[in-house]
Amino acid sequence: EPEVTQTPSHQVTQMGQEVILRCVPISNHLYFYWYRQILGQKVEFLVSFYNNEISEKSEIFDDQFSVERPDGSNFTLKIRSTKLEDSAMYFCASSEARDRQFFGPGTRLTVL
Amino acid sequence: DQQVKQNSPSLSVQEGRISILNCDYTNSMFDYFLWYKKYPAEGPTFLISISSIKDKNEDGRFTVFLNKSAKHLSLHIVPSQPGDSAVYFCAASPNTGNQFYFGTGTSLTVIP
Repeated sequence: EPEVTQTPSHQVTQMGQEVILRCVPISNHLYFYWYRQILGQKVEFLVSFYNNEISEKSEIFDDQFSVERPDGSNFTLKIRSTKLEDSAMYFCASSEARDRQFFGPGTRLTVL
Repeated sequence: DQQVKQNSPSLSVQEGRISILNCDYTNSMFDYFLWYKKYPAEGPTFLISISSIKDKNEDGRFTVFLNKSAKHLSLHIVPSQPGDSAVYFCAASPNTGNQFYFGTGTSLTVIP
């Protein structure tokens, strides 16, 4: 069964550094998403991406964040100037349409 | 932002019995609902969905019930199995987009 993959599985960075989290969505899916889950809290929507542009974003997704689909397969989340509170699990998801989203295994980001 | 609430953080059920997980929402614009299961260190896995035009959807051991007037949905698992032990999230999406709002999750333990 096709699945969403994410790399790296764990990223440790120093506060103020930039990180890029990578995702390979399921190949025939058209919608892509990033979510995060701070330890002990709920899964929070960050952004959705369709047709090579952001379709929705939450209040969390400020100028510190950006997303890109640099080629036909990858979908990336860039976090500029990381802060301690950015430490979380980041999940990528994809879907064929506005229906069930398939999640990747997540990237654990630790900001020191 | 507590548009989707799961008021029971945990639930324990004997193997073979029914597990009932509950979810409440506040936004009347929500028209599509999903349940996800999540194991530690993995991404959420889709279980079952329901749109607001239905009040019940069944898939094997899993049934989701939707009560629109009460803004309440529930997931029934019958019979419960030890492998069902996981954290269960409900998620809801408004008819204006494809952003999903997640509840805080209910940790289900099925006791052999």
